[in-house]
Amino acid sequence: RKEVEQDPGPFNVPEGATVAFNCTYSNSASQSFFWYRQDCRKEPKLLMSVYSSGNEDGRFTAQLNRASQYISLLIRDSKLSDSATYLCVVIGSGGSNYKLTFGKGTLLTVNP
Amino acid sequence: EAQVTQNPRYLITVTGKKLTVTCSQNMNHEYMSWYRQDPGLGLRQIYYSMNVEVTDKGDVPEGYKVSRKEKRNFPLILESPSPNQTSLYFCASRGLAALGQFFGPGTRLTVL
Repeated sequence: RKEVEQDPGPFNVPEGATVAFNCTYSNSASQSFFWYRQDCRKEPKLLMSVYSSGNEDGRFTAQLNRASQYISLLIRDSKLSDSATYLCVVIGSGGSNYKLTFGKGTLLTVNP
Repeated sequence: EAQVTQNPRYLITVTGKKLTVTCSQNMNHEYMSWYRQDPGLGLRQIYYSMNVEVTDKGDVPEGYKVSRKEKRNFPLILESPSPNQTSLYFCASRGLAALGQFFGPGTRLTVL
């Protein structure tokens, strides 16, 4: 099983739709979790951290399920500007407290 | 402005010609790392550094060298580049107490 796995997509959704991404991780000792966004081969940028209790930032909601070892990202009321690749990131995977392990990313296209 | 800079942004070279990609951060971060990103493979870590004079191999270190003589700089050295090192390279940094990672703008390298 890969350390961090994501559905590569692509996801094509209309504006205003709600879309959800999941990401699974293999190391139960993993400590921290994030979602990054990457536009068109530019650098990844931190979108939000993922907390055990779940957290929300505007239209974005992130959740962590430690028992099932997955994290999720929910985007409500999708905008054209949400089109990007979304990367899940796990820290503490593979035995290191500092190593960030990236999923391969899920491509989202929001259509007018 | 807090940032990670990389140079050059684009480079076309020939097999065997040594090259260095520079990376510099102005945030006094301890942790720096290099990644390469290839279609279908996602971001893979090449080398990382926990602090000055402390470096370690990531997932794909073969064919690369790094050094960390100063806290702000973390150059990536390709002693004898080969075509399979054609890729998009990202440098990143973060403080040890912080979890979010800042990425440089990327260096697109082509080895002919």
